[in-house]
Amino acid sequence: SAVISQKPSRDICQRGTSLTIQCQVDSQVTMMFWYRQQPGQSLTLIATANQGSEATYESGFVIDKFPISRPNLTFSTLTVSNMSPEDSSIYLCSVEDPLDYGYTFGSGTRLTVV
Amino acid sequence: GENVEQHPSTLSVQEGDSAVIKCTYSDSASNYFPWYKQELGKGPQLIIDIRSNVGEKKDQRIAVTLNKTAKHFSLHITETQPEDSAVYFCAASNTGSARQLTFGSGTQLTVLP
Repeated sequence: SAVISQKPSRDICQRGTSLTIQCQVDSQVTMMFWYRQQPGQSLTLIATANQGSEATYESGFVIDKFPISRPNLTFSTLTVSNMSPEDSSIYLCSVEDPLDYGYTFGSGTRLTVV
Repeated sequence: GENVEQHPSTLSVQEGDSAVIKCTYSDSASNYFPWYKQELGKGPQLIIDIRSNVGEKKDQRIAVTLNKTAKHFSLHITETQPEDSAVYFCAASNTGSARQLTFGSGTQLTVLP
């Protein structure tokens, strides 16, 4: 299965600022996903990012708040914009294995907004 | 869209006993059902998965069963060990058009030594 490197692993940010999270995969993948995991909660899909097209956002998430880039088949970024304390969560990227449709997750970015 | 319900939310077992976690799903088009283990400070790790063309799958101490008619699937861990303590998530997806995972709410498993 694919190996994902996600950076940063954690950060503490001031409200009103933005943070960009990077996700690097060791193989080419078509579909990449970004999830949010609020403290003690399950994973909620933010958006699906396919190379060469605009990201598709789930209900409750908008591009202005969570812009996503997908410049090639091995890399993606998620930006959390104009942050507030409510954005404090773990953000995870995930990829679909093209061979068996399994899903692999990065180690996550633990974001605290103060 | 898909809705996945997971029970129980917490589960404590004695070391060596078995643990069972159950999930139900709503979308009959779902055909892929993975289980993830998440340890503190880490991302979810796939521990076992099952596809809709089989009813059961085993991997050493871990097994998953699927009942398509009733739309539920279960994780079974036998001979539990303290290192099995973690949060477990079930998920469902349709590997056709809507290829994204919908997660259950999670189960905090504690194995008592």
